[in-house]
Amino acid sequence: SAVISQKPSRDICQRGTSLTIQCQVDSQVTMMFWYRQQPGQSLTLIATANQGSEATYESGFVIDKFPISRPNLTFSTLTVSNMSPEDSSIYLCSVEGADSGVIGTDTQYFGPGTRLTVL
Amino acid sequence: AQKVTQAQTEISVVEKEDVTLDCVYETRDTTYYLFWYKQPPSGELVFLIRRNSFDEQNEISGRYSWNFQKSTSSFNFTITASQVVDSAVYFCALSEPFYQKVTFGIGTKLQVIP
Repeated sequence: SAVISQKPSRDICQRGTSLTIQCQVDSQVTMMFWYRQQPGQSLTLIATANQGSEATYESGFVIDKFPISRPNLTFSTLTVSNMSPEDSSIYLCSVEGADSGVIGTDTQYFGPGTRLTVL
Repeated sequence: AQKVTQAQTEISVVEKEDVTLDCVYETRDTTYYLFWYKQPPSGELVFLIRRNSFDEQNEISGRYSWNFQKSTSSFNFTITASQVVDSAVYFCALSEPFYQKVTFGIGTKLQVIP
């Protein structure tokens, strides 16, 4: 399985500011995913990020609020823009393993998450 | 559309008891994948098991076992002789290759009391 790291591990931010979360993988991967986990809730997919193309956002999430970069096959960033207390969540990046090589069939492995608190 | 239901939101057991976590899924696809993840208080999501829709063989791994039944669309997870370290939130998840994304259940919070 891939080794995934995220920075920062946690942060406390003021309303109206932005935070960029970094996700680094120890191997090249085609697809990277960003999830949000609000307090006491399940994981919700924000977007899928492919290298060299625009991220694909899920319903309810927009690029202006959650811009994503994917400059290469091992790295991605998610920015939470113009934050409000409702953005307080754990943000997780994940990658799909390459057991079969067929997208959508392999296990997703997760980073340790970024705990964001917005005051 | 994909849907994963974990009807048990919280379970408490006394250490050494066996506990089963239920998962029921809905899918229109014939090819799909099911997963269980563990999220301890530290917050990291730990992969436990992956099963594909063509393999209904049940699996045992140490104190963990999984019961996959397509006839009832269920993928239940049993911990035998529970330990305090098993205390965590457990998520069941479903992946359909066509949609290229994973849908998670709401999670079951397991508390093992010493």
